[in-house]
Amino acid sequence: GQSLEQPSEVTAVEGAIVQINCTYQTSGFYGLSWYQQHDGGAPTFLSYNALDGLEETGRFSSFLSRSDSYGYLLLQELQMKDSASYFCAVRGARGKSTFGDGTTLTVKP
Amino acid sequence: NAGVTQTPKFQVLKTGQSMTLQCAQDMNHNSMYWYRQDPGMGLRLIYYSASEGTTDKGEVPNGYNVSRLNKREFSLRLESAAPSQTSVYFCASSEVGVNNYGYTFGSGTRLTVV
Repeated sequence: GQSLEQPSEVTAVEGAIVQINCTYQTSGFYGLSWYQQHDGGAPTFLSYNALDGLEETGRFSSFLSRSDSYGYLLLQELQMKDSASYFCAVRGARGKSTFGDGTTLTVKP
Repeated sequence: NAGVTQTPKFQVLKTGQSMTLQCAQDMNHNSMYWYRQDPGMGLRLIYYSASEGTTDKGEVPNGYNVSRLNKREFSLRLESAAPSQTSVYFCASSEVGVNNYGYTFGSGTRLTVV
């Protein structure tokens, strides 16, 4: 099976940089995804890492180390609209994903 | 670009009633999924369909059935609803590839069983 751990809450100020970590234990690993979910909304896909290293998409970057079973999401130049829950998810066989319980990010002015 | 469309958006059921949640995608994706999300928690996989004509159980399949009607549509059925099935249900679709893999989610169905 799969299990993932990520912090339950993170707080940062507008304009700052925040890193959300995710560690996982898995019986089959194809990649690590990150999703954003605003209150009352649906999750939206942010990034996917299949290989070790850093992927950058605008203000968001995601990192993966398969040897350490570890990844993180880096959010730069934080804005108030970034306040949301962030989920890491391990992609396993046949495309199915197992999600962590999410990290609630609060951005303060 | 509709993406993934779920119906209904809200539903209240009495214990023991049945209902079907509908999901359709217009992105020509092969894979479709049903997840449930309880308050303050992540998403748990109920059932998935890796391709048209196949369905498989996920982490929490008990009390549910699914039908992959065609490539576009993947429905979830509760045969006899229980209060423990009160949750938000999300349908998702994806293509499985090496790069840029990610799910597109529907807007969700908020189900209350009383």
